[in-house]
Amino acid sequence: EPEVTQTPSHQVTQMGQEVILRCVPISNHLYFYWYRQILGQKVEFLVSFYNNEISEKSEIFDDQFSVERPDGSNFTLKIRSTKLEDSAMYFCASILDSPGTFRGGKLFFGSGTQLSVL
Amino acid sequence: DQQVKQNSPSLSVQEGRISILNCDYTNSMFDYFLWYKKYPAEGPTFLISISSIKDKNEDGRFTVFLNKSAKHLSLHIVPSQPGDSAVYFCAVPSGNTGKLIFGQGTTLQVKP
Repeated sequence: EPEVTQTPSHQVTQMGQEVILRCVPISNHLYFYWYRQILGQKVEFLVSFYNNEISEKSEIFDDQFSVERPDGSNFTLKIRSTKLEDSAMYFCASILDSPGTFRGGKLFFGSGTQLSVL
Repeated sequence: DQQVKQNSPSLSVQEGRISILNCDYTNSMFDYFLWYKKYPAEGPTFLISISSIKDKNEDGRFTVFLNKSAKHLSLHIVPSQPGDSAVYFCAVPSGNTGKLIFGQGTTLQVKP
């Protein structure tokens, strides 16, 4: 079964450093997402991306965050200057169909990147 | 602002018995509800969904019940198996971009 692939599985960085989290969504999917889960808390939406532009972003997704689809397969999340509170598990997700037409929300998630900011 | 709430952080049941996981929501405009399952070191995986026009949806051992008047849904797993041990999230789509609002999750442990 096709799957969403995320690398690295663990990332340790110093506060203030830039990190790039990488994702390879399922190949024919058109809609892409980043979510995160701080330890012990709920999974939170960060951003949705379609047709090479952000379609929605949350309050968490401030100017320190950016997303890019640099080629036909990769989808990246960049945090410019990491803070301690950015430590979390970051999940990439994708879906084939327009989520507006199929309300099932059947997103396919990757296994996540555990980001630790020291 | 907790639009989706799972008030039980954990649940332990015996293998073969029924597991019932609960979820409450605040917005009566939500029109679709989903359950995701998450194993450690993996991402959430879709389990089952229900439209607001239905009150029950069944898929094998998994059944989701929706009570719109109470703004409550529940996931029943019967019979429960040790492999069902995972964190279960209730989620609702919000808007048309695929954004999901998740509950806090309930950790289910099924004991052999």
